Amino acid sequence: EVQLVESGGGLVQPGGSLRLSCAASGFTFSSWTMNWVRQAPGKGLEWVALISSSYNTIYYADSVKGRFTISRDNAKNSLFLQMNSLTAEDTAVYYCAREGYGVTQYFYYYMDVWGKGTTVTVSS
Amino acid sequence: SSELTQDPAVSVALGQTVRITCQGDSLRSYYATWYQQKPGQAPVLVISGKNNRPSGIPDRFSVSSSGNTASLTITGAQAEDEADYYCNSRDNSGHQVLFGGGTKLTVL
Repeated sequence: EVQLVESGGGLVQPGGSLRLSCAASGFTFSSWTMNWVRQAPGKGLEWVALISSSYNTIYYADSVKGRFTISRDNAKNSLFLQMNSLTAEDTAVYYCAREGYGVTQYFYYYMDVWGKGTTVTVSS
Repeated sequence: SSELTQDPAVSVALGQTVRITCQGDSLRSYYATWYQQKPGQAPVLVISGKNNRPSGIPDRFSVSSSGNTASLTITGAQAEDEADYYCNSRDNSGHQVLFGGGTKLTVL
């Protein structure tokens, strides 16, 4: 079964750090671009970061650039998100998601496998 | 601009057809992808590209696009289609992933 399982969420004080993990199984993890997407309580989806299959392409949302670091270990089928200098605005459910792409007339990208998410709460 | 804009809420009578739209400059260069999310659950891919549906997604879901607007159409909406729907694309540089603000679909 294709599966993503996030872990590492919890309660952290403002200014603190947290490291999220995402364990992949059931597919060739090293062949896929991976994303972190978050959702604040009662809000919509917000993309956080992506990392390509071979580590050589990494992008961040402006809201987390310089504070968050995405990484992966293809040998361990794992994705990570190191989060530093956390603020209340980072409180959210964090999902990892597998990304594929296609092209016909235009390019398109799709996230076809999602984990159930891990909750991060930043509060004093 | 680097934004995707959706109507916050749409309603449809059971069995009728509803269109959910998504606007953004990048949709002139990329197809939109659509996700369904029900309360307390992770998003689910509904459709991408030119009507590519994952297995298990019924064919009452379809997409179309014109200029900077992409549309998700549900033909014969069912009670189980009641959910939040998000469109998704890249920005024009391809370096940022965009999500629309989401549309809450109510099936009456």
